[in-house]
Amino acid sequence: SQKIEQNSEALNIQEGKTATLTCNYTNYSPAYLQWYRQDPGRGPVFLLLIRENEKEKRKERLKVTFDTTLKQSLFHITASQPADSATYLCALDLRRGGYNKLIFGAGTRLAVHP
Amino acid sequence: DVKVTQSSRYLVKRTGEKVFLECVQDMDHENMFWYRQDPGLGLRLIYFSYDVKMKEKGDIPEGYSVSREKKERFSLILESASTNQTSMYLCASSLGVTGLDEQFFGPGTRLTVL
Repeated sequence: SQKIEQNSEALNIQEGKTATLTCNYTNYSPAYLQWYRQDPGRGPVFLLLIRENEKEKRKERLKVTFDTTLKQSLFHITASQPADSATYLCALDLRRGGYNKLIFGAGTRLAVHP
Repeated sequence: DVKVTQSSRYLVKRTGEKVFLECVQDMDHENMFWYRQDPGLGLRLIYFSYDVKMKEKGDIPEGYSVSREKKERFSLILESASTNQTSMYLCASSLGVTGLDEQFFGPGTRLTVL
């Protein structure tokens, strides 16, 4: 069966450390993979997109890797801050013509402690 | 900035009522989406539209219908609300051009069906 999995338990880390979140999937062949941030009571906000032929993508303190052999993406936040506390969602981008159908994971809640 | 607005943040309805959820985007996006989000299940796609008057079923369309009469507006209709439709409903839009396919989300409508 098809599924996308993120760590269901919250990730608690100390300020200044690197947070690493995992996204694993089975029986999908995504062309792209996207990461979103969601704060309580709000809609998700796009962070990064990585293509299947890209190994790594960076944006400021964020880094995403995409291993299509392992069927896994890792999302890193370096020098984490309390303001980074949120739920992070990965989404498989099943590109279909002119629209992108996203399959979302359930998300991992990150708590950064001062 | 892209703005996606939803007609209500909170809504309480009774079983059997017909419910309309409205979504408006202001950036001339081609694609619009309706998701529901439940704890532990992530975002699940209900319906999407890639053009005016066009609609496609998502993964969980049963009990819902949609309408897109104008490009900027996408409505979700619950024909006869049931308690298992109590959820957070999120609308999103995307440009529709490959490589620029991040989805922009509205703030969500928390619907409670009694």
